Amino acid sequence: AQKITQTQPGMFVQEKEAVTLDCTYDTSDPSYGLFWYKQPSSGEMIFLIYQGSYDQQNATEGRYSLNFQKARKSANLVISASQLGDSAMYFCAMREGPGTGGFKTIFGAGTRLFVKA
Amino acid sequence: SQTIHQWPATLVQPVGSPLSLECTVEGTSNPNLYWYRQAAGRGLQLLFYSVGIGQISSEVPQNLSASRPQDRQFILSSKKLLLSDSGFYLCAWRGAGTGGNQPQHFGDGTRLSIL
Repeated sequence: AQKITQTQPGMFVQEKEAVTLDCTYDTSDPSYGLFWYKQPSSGEMIFLIYQGSYDQQNATEGRYSLNFQKARKSANLVISASQLGDSAMYFCAMREGPGTGGFKTIFGAGTRLFVKA
Repeated sequence: SQTIHQWPATLVQPVGSPLSLECTVEGTSNPNLYWYRQAAGRGLQLLFYSVGIGQISSEVPQNLSASRPQDRQFILSSKKLLLSDSGFYLCAWRGAGTGGNQPQHFGDGTRLSIL
């Protein structure tokens, strides 16, 4: 069954330092995609980065990079040079398919990141 | 450009009352549509998703139902609300046929409190 696991309920990081948020997944579909979203206290969902199951290289978007280890089924988010504005909830998500049901997408439980000044 | 509208933003309902939350998307055709629920401080639970008019996939058996009467309209309903239905409800869309690397786009959410 499709499953996403984020084992860190909360993380602290000092401003300007790097932080890694963990995500492991489980799926039997050879074609899948992994997403990271940021949710500030306002509740909006902000897309950060995407990694496809067939992508050979780790995805990067500005200060965000995804450490994709396919054999271990992990897709950790790395935020470099943390900023106070990075304090938020971070969700890892996985979509399977497309199948007959389209792109089903599920989310992990999230990690709350606190950036300290 | 594409936009998603979700309303109401906040809703307080008594136990046993009905529910109707509406979500509409503009600027795209035949989107994949999704309803998620988020309990306070928790992750997003996929409730329903739809790939077309009248097509609904239910992920979790529960007190809620969804309908898609028009291409860009997605409605979440309940006949009788329970206390456990409280939460933050998010509607999302993804473009059909755009490839699996496209992210979902979320509405602003509805905060539902059951008294």
